[in-house]
Amino acid sequence: KQEVTQIPAALSVPEGENLVLNCSFTDSAIYNLQWFRQDPGKGLTSLLLIQSSQREQTSGRLNASLDKSSGRSTLYIAASQPGDSATYLCAVLMDSNYQLIWGAGTKLIIKP
Amino acid sequence: GAVVSQHPSRVICKSGTSVKIECRSLDFQATTMFWYRQFPKQSLMLMATSNEGSKATYEQGVEKDKFLINHASLTLSTLTVTSAHPEDSSFYICSASGGRRDIQYFGAGTRLSVL
Repeated sequence: KQEVTQIPAALSVPEGENLVLNCSFTDSAIYNLQWFRQDPGKGLTSLLLIQSSQREQTSGRLNASLDKSSGRSTLYIAASQPGDSATYLCAVLMDSNYQLIWGAGTKLIIKP
Repeated sequence: GAVVSQHPSRVICKSGTSVKIECRSLDFQATTMFWYRQFPKQSLMLMATSNEGSKATYEQGVEKDKFLINHASLTLSTLTVTSAHPEDSSFYICSASGGRRDIQYFGAGTRLSVL
């Protein structure tokens, strides 16, 4: 059974810092991996999607990497801003049944 | 990206009443729609997968008679929480895709509070 773990559960850093969020998964038979952002009481915004054959994806100040064999992904946020404060979720799409399995998220607070 | 509209965004109801949540894909045909439930500080949990014109597939532990899902068209799926109880209070999110392995586009979620 696939398990997705996100560490840390919460992170608070000063504005301007670069930071890394971690996501690990136990079953490497994934179709792709996505990073999402969720603001309090709101829905999900897709940030980056990495196909299983890819190593990384970049969008603006965000860079996501994928090491499928070791079951790890990282989300790198450069020059963090208070507007980046949110909960960041990673999810893997399983090869076997195309079901999305979610991590519990990392709650990020960027202090002005 | 594609737009998925979920309505209502928030609903407060009395225990024992039924609540219907709508999920619409506005600019694409959603062959498959998914319904998730999220408790505070927890992962999203898939409740059911619905394909247009066929019965929904429910995940283990999800009562199909309590959470009625209808996917009658390629742009609309509904989730009805029947005889709601306080323990049904949660955040419900739908998503829509053109196929099971296609990108899922998410609605904004519905906060259900049962008094």
